[in-house]
Formats: sequence, structure tokens, C-alpha cells
Amino acid sequence: EAGVTQFPSHSVIEKGQTVTLRCDPISGHDNLYWYRRVMGKEIKFLLHFVKESKQDESGMPNNRFLAERTGGTYSTLKVQPAELEDSGVYFCASSLSGIQETQYFGPGTRLLVL
Amino acid sequence: AQSVTQPDIHITVSEGASLELRCNYSYGATPYLFWYVQSPGQGLQLLLKYFSGDTLVQGIKGFEAEFKRSQSSFNLRKPSVHWSDAAEYFCAVADNNNDMRFGAGTRLTVKP
Repeated sequence: EAGVTQFPSHSVIEKGQTVTLRCDPISGHDNLYWYRRVMGKEIKFLLHFVKESKQDESGMPNNRFLAERTGGTYSTLKVQPAELEDSGVYFCASSLSGIQETQYFGPGTRLLVL
Repeated sequence: AQSVTQPDIHITVSEGASLELRCNYSYGATPYLFWYVQSPGQGLQLLLKYFSGDTLVQGIKGFEAEFKRSQSSFNLRKPSVHWSDAAEYFCAVADNNNDMRFGAGTRLTVKP
């Protein structure tokens, strides 16, 4: 069974540009999560989808970030326009339904904004 | 809201020595606790988790963790460290919606 995949693995963009990150969860996982780790700091929760609905987006830093999960399958996270402080590693995770279900993480997308 | 503290940013141990990584959490209800490991270039891999029951939890790769409610702690242990254990370790706590909060991580270096 394929794990959580993320694309691209790395992205280097200039301040002001737009970047779209993609996450493909494990097939059948209704729950999809986005996290971000800024260099040397903790992994921070961004948002949580249940199927195509946003269950919790309290961690989204500002309105430059837009997450979508059309059809309840893969998800995209768009940053527009990107700022220097957006640099970091963006992780996606997915899980089955239920509070005791393990979240399986993707390898992350390393974003560098210059 | 839940939060996690990992007091040690970096730990170095000799191969074969024992290991304990500290984790303290803050959460008003019954916590769901996790330890994840991230090796270089890899995603996060679940080592073990605690939801209820026996407070001593066994995980993969010979790791275990003990939940101590009175101390709000969930420390990770291994009796004998292998060079391949060098990685970054994250403690996390989840709420009833499975929304997870992570600590800042502890980087483990293993000396030969």
C-alpha cells in the first residue's frame, strides 16, 4: 500500500511568488492534516480536513494560505504571495476516522522563499 | 489547548548506552500521546502511542514510553542505543478531534 506522498519534495521561490504544494493521502483515509515546521522550531498544526470539509483551520497563519481538498482525495496548499517567513518544511498526514487512528506522515515539502 | 515541551534540544549518547528523552504535556482532558521519529530525508514515523490502559507502552525498534499523569510526562526510553537510532524525535499530544500538537523535537546523536 502506498504511503502519503507529497509534491514537490523541494521548492525554491522568490518572495511574492505563488507556490502550490500537493498531498496525496493513503487511499481510504478521510482525515488529512497539514503541518509546518519552521527551521529549528516545533511542528505546527495548520489544518485538518475530514473528507472535503475543513474540520479545523485554526493553525493557518494568515489569508495568504489557502488549502483545498476537492472531492475528498488529494489536497493542495497554496501560498500566495509567499513571504520569507513561510520557509520551512510542510508535512501532510492522513488517518482513518476515529480518535485513536494513527496519523501517517508524508516526507514533507521543503520550501525556501528567497 | 494542548501543548508539548521537550526540554532537550540535542542529546548525545554512546552506542550501547541507555537513552531517555523527556516530554511534558499540557492538556485538560485525557491526553492521547505519541512519539514520532524522523530520520534524515524521511517523513515522521510513529514509534508508539498511548491512549489508555497500561501506562508503560512498548513501541517499535525497542523503544518504550511511560505515561505519568502526576508529572504530566511521557518520556521515551531505550535500554541500548544503536547507531541507526540517530534521528530527531518528536513527542505529540492529540485532542478528541485527533488534532495533534508537537514538541520542538530532540535531536539524538549516537557516538561510536
